[in-house]
Amino acid sequence: AQTVTQSQPEMSVQEAETVTLSCTYDTSESDYYLFWYKQPPSRQMILVIRQEAYKQQNATENRFSVNFQKAAKSFSLKISDSQLGDAAMYFCASSPGWETSGSRLTFGEGTQLTVNP
Amino acid sequence: GAVVSQHPSRVICKSGTSVKIECRSLDFQATTMFWYRQFPKQSLMLMATSNEGSKATYEQGVEKDKFLINHASLTLSTLTVTSAHPEDSSFYICSAGGRPNTGELFFGEGSRLTVL
Repeated sequence: AQTVTQSQPEMSVQEAETVTLSCTYDTSESDYYLFWYKQPPSRQMILVIRQEAYKQQNATENRFSVNFQKAAKSFSLKISDSQLGDAAMYFCASSPGWETSGSRLTFGEGTQLTVNP
Repeated sequence: GAVVSQHPSRVICKSGTSVKIECRSLDFQATTMFWYRQFPKQSLMLMATSNEGSKATYEQGVEKDKFLINHASLTLSTLTVTSAHPEDSSFYICSAGGRPNTGELFFGEGSRLTVL
């Protein structure tokens, strides 16, 4: 079983500044994936970044990076140079790595990010 | 990335009627699809796992007779809300993963169901 916890229901950041969203998880799997998804007002789920648990190197995607602390079961998302278009609900999620075709995602509660101009 | 299309995006129905929502993987074959439900300002809750050619696996607490799932082909899964009631009003999202499994799921646009 997997659980994902996001302790920040809401966060705000000034445009061009940096913000970090927190996420902790628990899993009994030895192999798993971690994700950050973004859900803008359109409700379309958009993958922001993905991390394989066996990789020690933190994933990065342009302005988005993660701080993956495996022992602490922590997976935070850092957004640099925040833009107005980054405003959305952000979900942290995990899935087991052993499934052969698509994996069931377990989502955290979400963090609503506001970007102030 | 892979494309998943969901239809309809919005549907309004009368209480007691049934509503079908379709989820299609447009450019890949999905042996497994997932159906989620999302209440306003809340997270996504997994309802069921849809397996091509076999019965769906429902999460605890989800009524399988109310939420009928059919996965008749490698590119189509359907969710039918039977005898809908106002409490079934919600946002329903489907997702699919491809082979090989990278862990990533591709999401449909979602369907907003309103039961009057």
